[in-house]
Amino acid sequence: QVQLVQSGAEVKKPGASVKVSCEASGYTFSTYYIHWVRQTPGQGLEWMGRINPNSGGTNYARKFEGRVSMTRDTSIRTAYMDLSNLRFDDTAIYYCARDSRGIGPVYGMDVWGQGTTVTVSS
Amino acid sequence: DIKMTQSPSSLSASVGDGVTITCQASQGISNFLNWYQQKPGKPPKLLITGASNLETGVPSRFSGTGSGKYFTFTISSLQPEDVATYYCLNYDNLPLTFGGGTRVEIK
Repeated sequence: QVQLVQSGAEVKKPGASVKVSCEASGYTFSTYYIHWVRQTPGQGLEWMGRINPNSGGTNYARKFEGRVSMTRDTSIRTAYMDLSNLRFDDTAIYYCARDSRGIGPVYGMDVWGQGTTVTVSS
Repeated sequence: DIKMTQSPSSLSASVGDGVTITCQASQGISNFLNWYQQKPGKPPKLLITGASNLETGVPSRFSGTGSGKYFTFTISSLQPEDVATYYCLNYDNLPLTFGGGTRVEIK
């Protein structure tokens, strides 16, 4: 079955960076965008961006441009989300999610990872 | 960016009651809207795509309607396992944007 498995919880200090991984299985990794979404108590669900695993091309939400980097390693079917210069309000659950339709027109997400809790604390 | 206004933010209803949630887009998005269910400690689960298309395996008591700027999500007969938070998602264009969520509880 289609599955996305994310890396474990992280605790970081303000100003540090965090890298979250997302390993895909059960489908052809290169043929579906991977989206990244975060969930905070204050902001609800927030789309951060997406990566085309085939080309490596990315689209980022304006709010995160300059701080976020999404990459992938197709040899191990894994996508990564790197967020730098962490602030207290980056404390959230970070999800990866597969695009519903693949690579092409804008679509939503169907299968989600289990989430990775990132805590920013001094 | 398109803003999605979801209401109510929470509701409480009895088992067997009908429940309706609305999402309003700040501009027309055709039918490019999904509905998700999220239970505590779990990721969101896709219920409805294209405003009204039920995902395979989702019970038929869930339904969605709407197009343009106004959308509704209905649970025709609320069950105990439906306790969750429900979100709409606009995918008309990037950036994707979510509604603020509706927490559904049993009275």
